Amino acid sequence: DAGVTQSPTHLIKTRGQHVTLRCSPISGHKSVSWYQQVLGQGPQFIFQYYEKEERGRGNFPDRFSARQFPNYSSELNVNALLLGDSALYLCASSWTLAGYNEQFFGPGTRLTVL
Amino acid sequence: EDQVTQSPEALRLQEGESSSLNCSYTVSGLRGLFWYRQDPGKGPEFLFTLYSAGEEKEKERLKATLTKKESFLHITAPKPEDSATYLCAVNSGTYKYIFGTGTRLKVLA
Repeated sequence: DAGVTQSPTHLIKTRGQHVTLRCSPISGHKSVSWYQQVLGQGPQFIFQYYEKEERGRGNFPDRFSARQFPNYSSELNVNALLLGDSALYLCASSWTLAGYNEQFFGPGTRLTVL
Repeated sequence: EDQVTQSPEALRLQEGESSSLNCSYTVSGLRGLFWYRQDPGKGPEFLFTLYSAGEEKEKERLKATLTKKESFLHITAPKPEDSATYLCAVNSGTYKYIFGTGTRLKVLA
């Protein structure tokens, strides 16, 4: 079975631009979460979506937004990029919302903001 | 507030030298504690889920244990290919999984 897929793999943008990152969950998984991981740190929670609805949001500014589509794939959008947005963006999927479900991660999108 | 602390930050072992990584947590009602392995520039790879104190799980040279305040990841006779960052995460029933900063493990041949 295919795991979680993310695109693109790498992305270089300049300050002030907009970026869209994409994620396809494992088949049958209905929950998708997004994380930001800066070098040397653990993943930081950004959003969780379940059944196309936002179910949780981390401590990130309104420049960050996301959505989930009927096929459970998801997009993360970041507007007005800042240098500090440079990071590895990870998507994770799980069967349900339940906190006892493990999440499975994709390979990530490396975003560099110049 | 839910919190996860991992120690040590970095660990260097000789091949075959067993050791343990620690994950201390503070949560209001643990639903699950998760261990992941992460190679540089890649997404975390799921290893184990632990649900209650006293639980243990094993996979090859790795064994994870759980108490009411911490979890240990024991590595027996490690090999160079075990070199990676090991992440611990907890969930207390909310939408949020809280991760620690990880332990960077280097196993020397």
